[in-house]
Amino acid sequence: SQQGEEDPQALSIQEGENATMNCSYKTSINNLQWYRQNSGRGLVHLILIRSNEREKHSGRLRVTLDTSKKSSSLLITASRAADTASYFCATVAGGAGSYQLTFGKGTKLSVIP
Amino acid sequence: DTEVTQTPKHLVMGMTNKKSLKCEQHMGHRAMYWYKQKAKKPPELMFVYSYEKLSINESVPSRFSPECPNSSLLNLHLHALQPEDSALYLCASSQDSSGQGRFRYGYTFGSGTRLTVV
Repeated sequence: SQQGEEDPQALSIQEGENATMNCSYKTSINNLQWYRQNSGRGLVHLILIRSNEREKHSGRLRVTLDTSKKSSSLLITASRAADTASYFCATVAGGAGSYQLTFGKGTKLSVIP
Repeated sequence: DTEVTQTPKHLVMGMTNKKSLKCEQHMGHRAMYWYKQKAKKPPELMFVYSYEKLSINESVPSRFSPECPNSSLLNLHLHALQPEDSALYLCASSQDSSGQGRFRYGYTFGSGTRLTVV
């Protein structure tokens, strides 16, 4: 079953601009992760933010988490053509037990050179 | 070695064939996963292996049969598939596994096997 819902479904920007993608989810989480997928191949893990964290940075990526609104955002600064890909948020359910990812529908990002 | 290797990359099979997908990792990860991804859709979990034992089967039809021969290998045996089973099959592994409660690392995915059932 899918938990996350990304917004927008598709985003087209010029190289150098910032890209913001949002993710909403429905149930309590242990953590939320963002992944990138190029051309329908394997997914690459970008960043993990725990439920008790509010913001996290990694290079040009900034992720925020608002557990009261059950939402997260991914900001890519100074975008490059190589950032063109689909981006998925994925949640891990709260509580003890299973480490399994449930993916949202994804945002397709196109960065125009 | 920080990779998950999946073979084959592409597979075309008839509905009466038996084939297997293979996944291998040498990172010492004790949890491994199979996901199915249809075009323009997110990946959907099929199976979870934790310490070589099947811990989750997401109501997957019996024509898909997983196997974990050892901690580095994960197979998915396919038999009597339908055309609607055509999809990208992704294998992943993780350093964290179920029961730990505290998950610090993401999954490492393979490049997938593009399966076409004719």
